[in-house]
Amino acid sequence: EVLLVESGGGLVQPGGSLRLSCAASGFTVSDNFMSWVRQAPGKGLEWVSIIYSGGNTYYADSVKGRFTISRDNSKNTVYLQMNTLRPEDAAVYYCTRAMEGIAGGLGFDYWGQGTLVIVSS
Amino acid sequence: DIQMTQSPSSLSASVGDRLTITCRASQTINNYLNWYQQKPGKAPKLLIYAASALQSGVPSRFSGSGSGTDFTLTISSLQPEDFATYYCQQSYSISRTFGQGTKVEI
Repeated sequence: EVLLVESGGGLVQPGGSLRLSCAASGFTVSDNFMSWVRQAPGKGLEWVSIIYSGGNTYYADSVKGRFTISRDNSKNTVYLQMNTLRPEDAAVYYCTRAMEGIAGGLGFDYWGQGTLVIVSS
Repeated sequence: DIQMTQSPSSLSASVGDRLTITCRASQTINNYLNWYQQKPGKAPKLLIYAASALQSGVPSRFSGSGSGTDFTLTISSLQPEDFATYYCQQSYSISRTFGQGTKVEI
């Protein structure tokens, strides 16, 4: 069974840092594209970042230069290091697995339960 | 970035209704369009990928169509468990942008 379990959310002051973890089971993270998606309270879904199976990483403009996606193959875990946090980064952060076709993406087929990040003084 | 625009933003419907939600991309995305369903307090669920492919386990009353810039999600006969918010997403570009969502209410 495929499972994604996020952790690491919490309350942080503006300008602070937080590292989110996504522990995967039932498949190998390094063989797949993995992505983070966030949802601010009462708002829609916002794509945040993706790490390809080959290791390339990409970010939304809103987080570029502040967030870093990475993975630990030995732990089958994906991370999102979030620095210089702003109030507008407050959201539920979801870890997802991205299905990939030959020439493009095919959607995020598995999602974690989400972890809440609150940015407030 | 590719912008995704859904319409309507919300709608009211009844059990048994046929429902159509549209999604328009700001540039061509071929058929790299996905649809998700989200219920309150839950993670989104993938319904349709590649514009018209039904994800495993999703009821056949859900269907998708379109190519290029214009896409639709259709629910042939709305069931009580279908009242939720629906999102489209393009996976043509690296930035996998979502539409703003369509809330389906009773």
